[in-house]
Amino acid sequence: DAGVTQSPTHLIKTRGQQVTLRCSPKSGHDTVSWYQQALGQGPQFIFQYYEEEERQRGNFPDRFSGHQFPNYSSELNVNALLLGDSALYLCASSSNRMKKNTEAFFGQGTRLTVV
Amino acid sequence: QQPVQSPQAVILREGEDAVINCSSSKALYSVHWYRQKHGEAPVFLMILLKGGEQKGHDKISASFNEKKQQSSLYLTASQLSYSGTYFCGTENFGGFKTIFGAGTRLFVKA
Repeated sequence: DAGVTQSPTHLIKTRGQQVTLRCSPKSGHDTVSWYQQALGQGPQFIFQYYEEEERQRGNFPDRFSGHQFPNYSSELNVNALLLGDSALYLCASSSNRMKKNTEAFFGQGTRLTVV
Repeated sequence: QQPVQSPQAVILREGEDAVINCSSSKALYSVHWYRQKHGEAPVFLMILLKGGEQKGHDKISASFNEKKQQSSLYLTASQLSYSGTYFCGTENFGGFKTIFGAGTRLFVKA
């Protein structure tokens, strides 16, 4: 049983460019959350997708957008990249329908470097 | 709104015990605990839901006092494999997001 898979694992982009990160949830999971983790910090919640809709959003600008597909996989898009967007981007999947109290499994993350 | 973890870092000898605390200024619905090793993804340890609830996972257990909006993670007879950064994540009522603390760095030496 494959866990949460993210691609690519590493990415280098130039300021002003756009990037798309991908996530495939663990089998049986229908909810995907995205996090940004700066070096030495805890993961910061970006948004959560459930039933192809953004269910909740953290304090991130509109440059950060996402999508969830019918097969529950998800994409994170970041436009107009800034140097400060350099971080590890983590995807976490869970199976909670309308419940909240379930464990989330994290992917290995995508290390984004903006130069 | 971010939960506060303490201590920020701790160094243990193998076999020693440690306690990591997590506190929030807001009412909590649940508390999640994760461990992250360098260069790896956070790994789920446990969720606590009810006031005074305690859970155990091998020699790692946790408690949740919803009235005090606090949770503590207890590591007993620490092993070298316990080294890593421990994060608590909190969920408030009326939302779906998990907010993580800044982490507690734990190093266990032989």
